[in-house]
Amino acid sequence: QQQVKQSPQSLIVQKGGISIINCAYENTAFDYFPWYQQFPGKGPALLIAIRPDVSEKKEGRFTISFNKSAKQFSLHIMDSQPGDSATYFCAASMSSGNTPLVFGKGTRLSVIA
Amino acid sequence: DTAVSQTPKYLVTQMGNDKSIKCEQNLGHDTMYWYKQDSKKFLKIMFSYNNKELIINETVPNRFSPKSPDKAHLNLHINSLELGDSAVYFCASSQRQGSTPLHFGNGTRLTVT
Repeated sequence: QQQVKQSPQSLIVQKGGISIINCAYENTAFDYFPWYQQFPGKGPALLIAIRPDVSEKKEGRFTISFNKSAKQFSLHIMDSQPGDSATYFCAASMSSGNTPLVFGKGTRLSVIA
Repeated sequence: DTAVSQTPKYLVTQMGNDKSIKCEQNLGHDTMYWYKQDSKKFLKIMFSYNNKELIINETVPNRFSPKSPDKAHLNLHINSLELGDSAVYFCASSQRQGSTPLHFGNGTRLTVT
């Protein structure tokens, strides 16, 4: 049972373009939605996170958009750069209980010059 | 200083052998985890420990046994290794359970031949 569905599986974007990765979740008890970035040979690293009390959060070129009614959230990377080429994971968890972070299946982003 | 360090980085062994992976975090976090990343990059929780106490044990063969000698260490011992155990294993830590950021190590690539 996959609780967080992520798409697309892979994405190719030209340098300077906008990269958009989408995620949908099922459990309405989730209240924390982070995005992780993973480079080859490294562990995932937290990029940006949002909680459901806001609809958007921006940090530099990275923005999370959150739609609570649709149970969807997305990552937008503005002015995409070759250095952004990595695998991106959305995730979700809840404050109560012992539920760990549940990850989407990942999106491999390639930014080409 | 590396926040979450795991050793070894690479582990190549034959079927039937027993091996261990060590993990240490210097962040003062209460909770530690083991995740498995398969060849398709999917990240799946295996175990979660909070203050040396096992909290989560997902459907993992009992050939896998985590051990937490103290709050800063969570080791993974694997008995009777099988081909299907080949994957990258990530240790992670977080300040507490629930909706807090995970800090990952750089992974141990296990190859079983």
